[in-house]
Amino acid sequence: DGGITQSPKYLFRKEGQNVTLSCEQNLNHDAMYWYRQDPGQGLRLIYYSQIVNDFQKGDIAEGYSVSREKKESFPLTVTSAQKNPTAFYLCASSKGLDGYGYTFGSGTRLTVV
Amino acid sequence: GESVGLHLPTLSVQEGDNSIINCAYSNSASDYFIWYKQESGKGPQFIIDIRSNMDKRQGQRVTVLLNKTVKHLSLQIAATQPGDSAVYFCAENVAGNKLTFGGGTRVLVKP
Repeated sequence: DGGITQSPKYLFRKEGQNVTLSCEQNLNHDAMYWYRQDPGQGLRLIYYSQIVNDFQKGDIAEGYSVSREKKESFPLTVTSAQKNPTAFYLCASSKGLDGYGYTFGSGTRLTVV
Repeated sequence: GESVGLHLPTLSVQEGDNSIINCAYSNSASDYFIWYKQESGKGPQFIIDIRSNMDKRQGQRVTVLLNKTVKHLSLQIAATQPGDSAVYFCAENVAGNKLTFGGGTRVLVKP
């Protein structure tokens, strides 16, 4: 079955460390996205990519980095510059930017210890 | 499990009753709308969508209504069940642009 897979489900990070969250899709979607979700707030866009080797900052890109070397993969690195990284991170993909076929992964819960 | 949206608006509904979840959208040029359901600790799941050339669309136990005059979207769930307890998000899209998500509403189903 086609889908979008995030790993790991839970991740713990020490302060000052960089961590990378994985997102893989086999839906043949061109566009991929990373969102952050905090209690009491909706989804906030971190980065998105419309095509391989291209990506754009979203609303809260500071302290994060991404790469899009393959169509199927869009990993997110949470750097030590991100002052409050504890959150639930969601990856999504769609055929294009217009939202049709928009599919979410199951999320990664990142906790700083 | 993961707690999503501790401070979201909450709709409490008796099991078996109908639920109505509302969403005000911001962009009069939005032409495509989606409702998502998110259970605790999981990613959002697609429920139903509607394009701006329609004002109503029905699915299994769910109906989406679109009022473009007042930029309002609603999701109606018939005969609400315990499994319907979740956070519900609306999303809007202007052609060629990214989806914009609403803040969400928590639905609690009382037995």
